[in-house]
Amino acid sequence: AQSVTQLDSHVSVSEGTPVLLRCNYSSSYSPSLFWYVQHPNKGLQLLLKYTSAATLVKGINGFEAEFKKSETSFHLTKPSAHMSDAAEYFCVVSAALNTGFQKLVFGTGTRLLVSP
Amino acid sequence: NAGVTQTPKFRVLKTGQSMTLLCAQDMNHEYMYWYRQDPGMGLRLIHYSVGEGTTAKGEVPDGYNVSRLKKQNFLLGLESAAPSQTSVYFCASSSTANTEAFFGQGTRLTVV
Repeated sequence: AQSVTQLDSHVSVSEGTPVLLRCNYSSSYSPSLFWYVQHPNKGLQLLLKYTSAATLVKGINGFEAEFKKSETSFHLTKPSAHMSDAAEYFCVVSAALNTGFQKLVFGTGTRLLVSP
Repeated sequence: NAGVTQTPKFRVLKTGQSMTLLCAQDMNHEYMYWYRQDPGMGLRLIHYSVGEGTTAKGEVPDGYNVSRLKKQNFLLGLESAAPSQTSVYFCASSSTANTEAFFGQGTRLTVV
Protein backbone atom coordinates (compact mmCIF):
# COMPACT_ATOMS: atom_id res chain seq x y z
CA ALA A 1 0.00 0.00 0.00
CA GLN A 2 1.12 3.51 -0.75
CA SER A 3 1.90 5.80 2.17
CA VAL A 4 3.93 8.85 3.11
CA THR A 5 5.73 9.71 6.31
CA GLN A 6 6.52 13.29 7.16
CA LEU A 7 9.42 13.09 9.54
CA ASP A 8 8.85 16.35 11.42
CA SER A 9 5.57 17.63 12.82
CA HIS A 10 7.05 21.12 13.31
CA VAL A 11 10.01 22.92 11.73
CA SER A 12 11.20 26.33 12.93
CA VAL A 13 13.47 28.57 10.85
CA SER A 14 14.51 32.19 10.81
CA GLU A 15 13.58 34.44 7.93
CA GLY A 16 16.24 34.26 5.22
CA THR A 17 17.52 30.79 6.20
CA PRO A 18 16.99 27.57 4.20
CA VAL A 19 13.92 25.40 4.62
CA LEU A 20 13.95 21.59 4.58
CA LEU A 21 10.76 19.60 5.07
CA ARG A 22 11.29 15.84 4.94
CA CYS A 23 9.06 13.23 3.38
CA ASN A 24 9.56 9.51 2.81
CA TYR A 25 7.16 7.49 0.72
CA SER A 26 6.24 3.87 0.30
CA SER A 27 4.93 2.67 -3.04
CA SER A 28 4.87 -0.63 -4.88
CA TYR A 29 5.17 1.12 -8.23
CA SER A 30 6.50 4.38 -9.60
CA PRO A 31 4.48 6.94 -7.69
CA SER A 32 3.15 10.39 -8.36
CA LEU A 33 4.12 12.66 -5.50
CA PHE A 34 2.87 16.09 -4.52
CA TRP A 35 3.47 18.81 -1.96
CA TYR A 36 0.51 20.92 -0.87
CA VAL A 37 0.51 23.97 1.39
CA GLN A 38 -2.27 25.07 3.72
CA HIS A 39 -2.27 28.56 5.16
CA PRO A 40 -4.31 29.13 8.35
CA ASN A 41 -8.06 28.76 7.77
CA LYS A 42 -7.53 28.22 4.07
CA GLY A 43 -7.85 25.35 1.65
CA LEU A 44 -4.90 23.43 0.24
CA GLN A 45 -2.85 24.71 -2.65
CA LEU A 46 -0.54 22.65 -4.85
CA LEU A 47 3.13 23.62 -4.52
CA LEU A 48 4.62 21.09 -6.92
CA LYS A 49 4.24 17.58 -8.29
CA TYR A 50 6.46 14.74 -9.49
CA THR A 51 5.14 12.43 -12.19
CA SER A 52 8.23 10.48 -13.37
CA ALA A 53 9.78 13.21 -15.48
CA ALA A 54 12.72 15.20 -14.07
CA THR A 55 13.70 14.15 -10.56
CA LEU A 56 14.19 17.77 -9.44
CA VAL A 57 10.84 19.47 -9.46
CA LYS A 58 10.40 23.21 -9.20
CA GLY A 59 7.24 24.64 -7.73
CA ILE A 60 5.70 27.95 -6.87
CA ASN A 61 7.12 30.55 -4.48
CA GLY A 62 10.71 29.27 -4.84
CA PHE A 63 10.08 25.78 -3.49
CA GLU A 64 11.54 22.67 -5.05
CA ALA A 65 11.69 18.97 -4.26
CA GLU A 66 13.95 16.14 -5.34
CA PHE A 67 12.69 12.63 -5.99
CA LYS A 68 15.25 10.08 -4.78
CA LYS A 69 14.14 6.55 -5.56
CA SER A 70 17.07 4.91 -3.77
CA GLU A 71 16.14 6.71 -0.55
CA THR A 72 12.35 6.69 -1.17
CA SER A 73 12.38 10.38 -0.31
CA PHE A 74 10.76 13.53 -1.68
CA HIS A 75 12.03 16.34 0.53
CA LEU A 76 10.83 19.91 0.04
CA THR A 77 13.38 22.74 0.11
CA LYS A 78 13.60 26.48 -0.28
CA PRO A 79 16.85 28.47 -0.18
CA SER A 80 15.53 31.40 1.84
CA ALA A 81 12.42 31.43 4.01
CA HIS A 82 9.93 34.31 4.00
CA MET A 83 7.48 35.14 6.75
CA SER A 84 4.68 34.34 4.32
CA ASP A 85 5.91 30.72 4.09
CA ALA A 86 4.60 30.01 7.58
CA ALA A 87 1.93 27.36 6.98
CA GLU A 88 1.27 23.63 7.13
CA TYR A 89 2.77 21.48 4.39
CA PHE A 90 1.51 18.10 3.26
CA CYS A 91 3.40 15.45 1.33
CA VAL A 92 1.03 13.39 -0.80
CA VAL A 93 1.34 10.19 -2.84
CA SER A 94 -1.14 8.78 -5.33
CA ALA A 95 -2.45 5.33 -4.46
CA ALA A 96 -4.57 2.87 -6.41
CA LEU A 97 -7.81 1.63 -4.84
CA ASN A 98 -9.17 -1.80 -5.72
CA THR A 99 -11.68 -0.08 -7.99
CA GLY A 100 -8.81 1.05 -10.20
CA PHE A 101 -9.29 4.62 -9.04
CA GLN A 102 -6.23 6.46 -7.84
CA LYS A 103 -6.64 8.48 -4.69
CA LEU A 104 -4.34 10.91 -2.91
CA VAL A 105 -2.82 9.70 0.37
CA PHE A 106 -1.81 12.54 2.67
CA GLY A 107 0.96 12.68 5.21
CA THR A 108 0.18 14.04 8.66
CA GLY A 109 1.63 17.44 7.84
CA THR A 110 4.58 19.61 8.89
CA ARG A 111 3.93 23.00 10.41
CA LEU A 112 6.57 25.52 9.30
CA LEU A 113 7.21 28.37 11.70
CA VAL A 114 9.22 31.37 10.45
CA SER A 115 10.63 33.86 12.94
CA PRO A 116 11.88 37.36 12.09
CA ASN B 1 -12.74 32.62 -10.98
CA ALA B 2 -14.46 30.76 -8.13
CA GLY B 3 -12.82 27.30 -8.45
CA VAL B 4 -14.23 25.10 -5.67
CA THR B 5 -16.80 26.63 -3.33
CA GLN B 6 -18.05 25.03 -0.12
CA THR B 7 -21.10 26.03 1.89
CA PRO B 8 -21.46 26.56 4.76
CA LYS B 9 -18.09 27.59 6.17
CA PHE B 10 -19.01 26.93 9.79
CA ARG B 11 -21.73 24.91 11.47
CA VAL B 12 -22.58 23.67 14.94
CA LEU B 13 -24.88 20.65 15.20
CA LYS B 14 -26.41 18.79 18.09
CA THR B 15 -25.91 15.05 18.28
CA GLY B 16 -28.49 13.31 16.11
CA GLN B 17 -29.19 16.26 13.82
CA SER B 18 -28.71 16.02 10.09
CA MET B 19 -27.15 18.37 7.59
CA THR B 20 -25.83 18.60 4.05
CA LEU B 21 -22.59 20.19 2.95
CA LEU B 22 -22.55 21.54 -0.58
CA CYS B 23 -19.55 21.62 -2.89
CA ALA B 24 -19.66 23.36 -6.26
CA GLN B 25 -16.90 23.55 -8.88
CA ASP B 26 -16.82 25.59 -12.06
CA MET B 27 -13.87 23.91 -13.79
CA ASN B 28 -15.84 21.14 -15.52
CA HIS B 29 -13.90 18.53 -13.56
CA GLU B 30 -14.99 14.89 -13.68
CA TYR B 31 -13.60 13.87 -10.30
CA MET B 32 -14.79 15.23 -6.98
CA TYR B 33 -13.84 14.27 -3.43
CA TRP B 34 -14.78 14.82 0.18
CA TYR B 35 -12.05 14.70 2.81
CA ARG B 36 -12.02 15.26 6.53
CA GLN B 37 -9.05 16.79 8.33
CA ASP B 38 -8.33 15.98 11.94
CA PRO B 39 -5.33 17.11 14.01
CA GLY B 40 -2.26 14.93 13.46
CA MET B 41 -4.00 12.75 10.86
CA GLY B 42 -3.69 14.64 7.60
CA LEU B 43 -6.65 14.42 5.23
CA ARG B 44 -8.67 11.23 4.90
CA LEU B 45 -10.93 10.44 1.96
CA ILE B 46 -14.60 10.01 2.86
CA HIS B 47 -16.27 9.53 -0.53
CA TYR B 48 -15.44 10.37 -4.10
CA SER B 49 -17.07 10.56 -7.51
CA VAL B 50 -15.60 9.86 -10.92
CA GLY B 51 -18.43 11.54 -12.82
CA GLU B 52 -22.00 12.73 -12.75
CA GLY B 53 -24.29 10.13 -11.21
CA THR B 54 -21.45 8.07 -9.67
CA THR B 55 -20.20 7.83 -6.10
CA ALA B 56 -17.85 5.51 -4.25
CA LYS B 57 -16.58 4.98 -0.72
CA GLY B 58 -13.20 6.20 0.41
CA GLU B 59 -11.34 5.15 3.53
CA VAL B 60 -13.70 6.60 6.19
CA PRO B 61 -17.24 6.52 4.71
CA ASP B 62 -19.27 5.39 7.74
CA GLY B 63 -21.89 7.90 8.87
CA TYR B 64 -21.82 9.85 5.61
CA ASN B 65 -23.69 9.75 2.33
CA VAL B 66 -23.04 11.60 -0.91
CA SER B 67 -24.75 12.47 -4.16
CA ARG B 68 -23.55 13.78 -7.53
CA LEU B 69 -26.72 14.61 -9.43
CA LYS B 70 -25.03 17.35 -11.41
CA LYS B 71 -21.44 17.34 -12.62
CA GLN B 72 -20.59 20.59 -10.88
CA ASN B 73 -22.03 19.68 -7.47
CA PHE B 74 -21.06 17.08 -4.87
CA LEU B 75 -23.13 16.90 -1.69
CA LEU B 76 -22.03 15.35 1.59
CA GLY B 77 -24.77 14.35 4.02
CA LEU B 78 -24.72 13.49 7.70
CA GLU B 79 -27.97 11.73 8.59
CA SER B 80 -27.41 11.58 12.36
CA ALA B 81 -24.43 13.61 13.50
CA ALA B 82 -22.10 12.28 16.17
CA PRO B 83 -19.36 14.09 18.16
CA SER B 84 -16.78 11.94 16.33
CA GLN B 85 -17.75 13.79 13.15
CA THR B 86 -16.45 17.06 14.54
CA SER B 87 -13.82 17.96 11.95
CA VAL B 88 -12.89 20.25 9.10
CA TYR B 89 -14.32 19.00 5.82
CA PHE B 90 -12.70 19.73 2.48
CA CYS B 91 -14.11 19.25 -0.96
CA ALA B 92 -11.78 18.92 -3.94
CA SER B 93 -12.03 18.34 -7.66
CA SER B 94 -9.67 17.26 -10.43
CA SER B 95 -9.83 16.68 -14.16
CA THR B 96 -8.48 13.13 -13.84
CA ALA B 97 -7.57 10.84 -10.97
CA ASN B 98 -3.85 11.54 -10.97
CA THR B 99 -3.68 15.26 -11.61
CA GLU B 100 -3.73 18.29 -9.39
CA ALA B 101 -6.69 18.47 -7.03
CA PHE B 102 -8.22 21.89 -6.35
CA PHE B 103 -9.56 22.37 -2.84
CA GLY B 104 -12.31 24.42 -1.34
CA GLN B 105 -11.70 26.53 1.75
CA GLY B 106 -13.23 24.01 4.11
CA THR B 107 -16.22 23.65 6.41
CA ARG B 108 -15.58 23.59 10.13
CA LEU B 109 -18.22 21.36 11.72
CA THR B 110 -18.69 20.95 15.45
CA VAL B 111 -21.08 18.33 16.83
CA VAL B 112 -22.02 18.82 20.47
